[in-house]
Amino acid sequence: QKEVEQNSGPLSVPEGAIASLNCTYSDRGSQSFFWYRQYSGKSPELIMFIYSNGDKEDGRFTAQLNKASQYVSLLIRDSQPSDSATYLCAVFSGGSYIPTFGRGTSLIVHP
Amino acid sequence: GAVVSQHPSRVICKSGTSVKIECRSLDFQATTMFWYRQFPKQSLMLMATSNEGSKATYEQGVEKDKFLINHASLTLSTLTVTSAHPEDSSFYICSARDTSGGNADTQYFGPGTRLTVL
Repeated sequence: QKEVEQNSGPLSVPEGAIASLNCTYSDRGSQSFFWYRQYSGKSPELIMFIYSNGDKEDGRFTAQLNKASQYVSLLIRDSQPSDSATYLCAVFSGGSYIPTFGRGTSLIVHP
Repeated sequence: GAVVSQHPSRVICKSGTSVKIECRSLDFQATTMFWYRQFPKQSLMLMATSNEGSKATYEQGVEKDKFLINHASLTLSTLTVTSAHPEDSSFYICSARDTSGGNADTQYFGPGTRLTVL
């Protein structure tokens, strides 16, 4: 059973702070990792993906992947109230095109 | 990023009727599309995987005769909820798999369809 674990939160951070969202996965054969943002009542939207160990930056977002420890994280710098949403981690195992989603972490950025 | 549309965005129907939801990939070809259901404050639940030109693969516990899926072209998949009942009321979301971007096998989600069965 492939599992993707996320702390449901809510994670509350003040405006301007760094929000750190974490995701762990059970399948060592996992190849690619995606972060989605889902606002209440809306469908998920892709933020970024990462394949290789290390950091990948895109604007205020940084994805970090550590395959040895089987975790992937998303950092949001200079958090804004508009970043308040649920963040979903999705993991693709090698050879599969069907991702396993975590249950999501609720982020609240307060002014 | 790639664009996926869904229609209708919202539908209210009477119990016992059937409802069809369309999912289209607008700027890429999607050999595979996925249908999810999400109840309020719950996580995404994969219902089925739809492959162009072949039968859909349903997840355990999802009735294939109740949720009919057709993927007739590389840009269109439809989900028909047959004989809908109030417990089928949910947020239905499709996603399409884009394999065109190098090594990025990415899923893009449609905006979702909120179904309310009276």
